[in-house]
Amino acid sequence: QSALTQPASVAGSPGQSITISCTGTSSDVGGYNYVSWYQQHPGKAPKLMIYDVSNRPSGVSNRFSGSKSGNTASLTISGLQAEDEADYYCSSYTSNNRVFGTGTKVTVL
Amino acid sequence: EVQLVQSGAEVKKPGESLKISCKGSGYSFSSRWIGWVRQTPGKGLEWMGFIYLVDSDTRYSPSFQGQVTISADKSISTAYLQWSSLKASDTAIYYCARGYYYMDVWGNGTTVTVSS
Repeated sequence: QSALTQPASVAGSPGQSITISCTGTSSDVGGYNYVSWYQQHPGKAPKLMIYDVSNRPSGVSNRFSGSKSGNTASLTISGLQAEDEADYYCSSYTSNNRVFGTGTKVTVL
Repeated sequence: EVQLVQSGAEVKKPGESLKISCKGSGYSFSSRWIGWVRQTPGKGLEWMGFIYLVDSDTRYSPSFQGQVTISADKSISTAYLQWSSLKASDTAIYYCARGYYYMDVWGNGTTVTVSS
């Protein structure tokens, strides 16, 4: 099972919006509405930001939103803040397996 | 507070065995799936497998099948990940996390270093 493809890095200025893509296949991202997104700060454990494509867990800012079209899922961060600088990973259910994305480093300029 | 607390860092030699743990608290541990995720600098996050505490149903990623064993003792709310013969390539941070389709609670991570 190959990792989902994400851009290595995305940058934006405070207040701007950025979007991170996550491309898979019809066997994972495109086949199920079970895409999740995780934020990871250096030296910390990943934190769930989005589940089931577009749902936010309690306590996660509404500046984070998720969507999906075909085999590509997306995470949008609006009103970018310094604290959003971190690594972001997508993940998808696939039959009897799970697959993560390659990871994207978000830099706040 | 719902949390998963993992055992401490380990330094081992190639060929040695190892078992690391993940203890849950603040929720009904035995009613959920607990998974394990490996993180290495070169390969990012990799899902290894998980276990359903109700009946010990265990699923493995094809990449890790036969390489590790996932188990649990629900009487003490603890899940385990073990190796019978470590390799240098097992050097990584290992996280346990709660969930089936997504992982909503993560442990603090266990760093495993395998070096001669």
